[in-house]
Amino acid sequence: DGGITQSPKYLFRKEGQNVTLSCEQNLNHDAMYWYRQDPGQGLRLIYYSQIVNDFQKGDIAEGYSVSREKKESFPLTVTSAQKNPTAFYLCASSAPGLNTEAFFGQGTRLTVV
Amino acid sequence: AQSVTQLGSHVSVSEGALVLLRCNYSSSVPPYLFWYVQYPNQGLQLLLKYTSAATLVKGINGFEAEFKKSETSFHLTKPSAHMSDAAEYFCAMTMNTGFQKLVFGTGTRLLVSP
Repeated sequence: DGGITQSPKYLFRKEGQNVTLSCEQNLNHDAMYWYRQDPGQGLRLIYYSQIVNDFQKGDIAEGYSVSREKKESFPLTVTSAQKNPTAFYLCASSAPGLNTEAFFGQGTRLTVV
Repeated sequence: AQSVTQLGSHVSVSEGALVLLRCNYSSSVPPYLFWYVQYPNQGLQLLLKYTSAATLVKGINGFEAEFKKSETSFHLTKPSAHMSDAAEYFCAMTMNTGFQKLVFGTGTRLLVSP
C-alpha cells in the first residue's frame, strides 16, 4: 500500500540532545513537508522540499534541520537549539498542483524529559 | 493576508443531530479549500476538497461542505452525527507562494454524546 511512514511513534529527548524523526513515502511525490502541531494552534510549517537536494524554511524553522537526499525520504532533526520541542510532528507529501491534497503520516510525539 | 479561521475550538452534539463546523477564509485569489479529520494520536485524513468544479462538495463518511464566495465560507456539515465522528477537524487552504503551501485553521474538536 502506498503511504507515508513516520518513525518512531513516540520519542523522548533529554535536554541538550539532538533527535532525528524519520519520514518515508512511497507515493512518488516530489513535495514533502514537516508540520508541528500544538494544542489549539493548528499545524505550523517547519520545512518543505519540492525536489531532491533542495528544501526551504517554513514559518517556524528555528531549531530544526532537514535533508532530502532521496525522493522517498525527508528526515527532520530537532536540535538542542529548539527551546520548546515537545509537540506532535507530522510529515506530509503531495503531488504538484494547488488543488491536490496532502497525504500525512501517523505522526511522532516528541517529549522532552 | 491569506488565512483560514475556524469558529469554535469545541463543538458538542448528540448522536443523530446535525453537525456544523464553521470555516471562513481570506484570500485575494480563488482558493482551493480542504477539510481534514484527525483521530487521537494519528495523522490527518482528507474528508473533502473544493477545487471550483462544484460549490457543494461531498466527502467521505457522509460529510459535505458548501463553498460560498459571498460569505467567504466553507462550512462542513453532516445530517446525523455518529459516535465515530468524534475527532478533530481542520479546514485548510492552499496558497501559491512559489510553492504549494497548505495553511490550516486552528481546528475544531467534535464531541458526540449518546
